[in-house]
Amino acid sequence: DVKVTQSSRYLVKRTGEKVFLECVQDMDHENMFWYRQDPGLGLRLIYFSYDVKMKEKGDIPEGYSVSREKKERFSLILESASTNQTSMYLCASTISRETEAFFGQGTRLTVV
Amino acid sequence: GQNIDQPTEMTATEGAIVQINCTYQTSGFNGLFWYQQHAGEAPTFLSYNVLDGLEEKGRFSSFLSRSKGYSYLLLKELQMKDSASYLCAVRDPPYKLSFGAGTTVTVRA
Repeated sequence: DVKVTQSSRYLVKRTGEKVFLECVQDMDHENMFWYRQDPGLGLRLIYFSYDVKMKEKGDIPEGYSVSREKKERFSLILESASTNQTSMYLCASTISRETEAFFGQGTRLTVV
Repeated sequence: GQNIDQPTEMTATEGAIVQINCTYQTSGFNGLFWYQQHAGEAPTFLSYNVLDGLEEKGRFSSFLSRSKGYSYLLLKELQMKDSASYLCAVRDPPYKLSFGAGTTVTVRA
């Protein structure tokens, strides 16, 4: 089975902190994605990556950056956390651009 | 960009059929996916349509009309465990995968 693992299920951070959310997949997938999920808004794409060191902005990249130094790992960085970044963050990966996405369990981030 | 619309909520009775519609307006199109998400869990893949027509998978079927920018997910013989959110997602070539806000289905006994 494909496994997409996010480093934390729950995180509480203070406003202004730099926050790292880690995602690792174990199936040599090419493409990786970061979404945030908020009630009534669904999943919104923050950033995605189609290869090592390659990244593209999604629909809501402001306040975020990403890093993909190795194929299996895709990190989401909140440069200076703010309360409006309190959300559920979901990582996903796909084998190729034609195939379905597999999701991690999500990280519920609270910024206080 | 993508504009993906689906109803917010639907309620149905155990054993019944429910149809969840999804309409999309896209700058490009390379496939439509349906996912199921139970409360507190990650989304899981249900179906994929890239050509027009109906794809059937057990109790679940998905339909696509590319000319109309329209898809539906049909859930037959509803069971209590089908109570979940159902997410419609469209792939905008070559890589971007965008989601609708999701439809919460409640199955009542």
